[in-house]
Amino acid sequence: DTAVSQTPKYLVTQMGNDKSIKCEQNLGHDTMYWYKQDSKKFLKIMFSYNNKELIINETVPNRFSPKSPDKAHLNLHINSLELGDSAVYFCASSTRTGSASPLHFGNGTRLTVT
Amino acid sequence: AQSVTQPDIHITVSEGASLELRCNYSYGATPYLFWYVQSPGQGLQLLLKYFSGDTLVQGIKGFEAEFKRSQSSFNLRKPSVHWSDAAEYFCAVGGTSYDKVIFGPGTSLSVIP
Repeated sequence: DTAVSQTPKYLVTQMGNDKSIKCEQNLGHDTMYWYKQDSKKFLKIMFSYNNKELIINETVPNRFSPKSPDKAHLNLHINSLELGDSAVYFCASSTRTGSASPLHFGNGTRLTVT
Repeated sequence: AQSVTQPDIHITVSEGASLELRCNYSYGATPYLFWYVQSPGQGLQLLLKYFSGDTLVQGIKGFEAEFKRSQSSFNLRKPSVHWSDAAEYFCAVGGTSYDKVIFGPGTSLSVIP
């Protein structure tokens, strides 16, 4: 009964490669997010989607491209991976947009770029 | 702009001891305040939240937090820590003027048996 699930859990790849991370939520929420957690555990929002529409697009390199085929899914595609992309990427969802709605997080995807 | 500070990077307590984790925020109006916990290898889980009303809020796992407007603080407390409480704790702030929460840098809690 996983509420927010993301795959893969671990991703090891070489510089220059392209990779994708997938996320699905079964909570019936309207809003989904991608967060990046760096090696110091600092969390920063990257994108949010509300019912398939892009709402938040932080200052993220355009090598990162989110895609939401429906409101239960939000994928993240990364082109031309760089060493600095190594981090843990979390998918999250909430009932609606805005900062009042608590976030439900997946267990993260640890991306290592070598 | 809103911001959150957690003055303690790392705290170590003995099992059974009381715990207080500090959180200070900057926001012009009444904020939305949250505490999340991240166990090793896991995502973040909401412990409790404050929007308005009673300034002492109860959460899951025996945690509580108190909103003090005069001190711009929202400290997390637990009267008796269990070894399973060892984790990373994040304070977060939002508000009506903002479309996203801002997370603090986190406090890492270690528990000595």
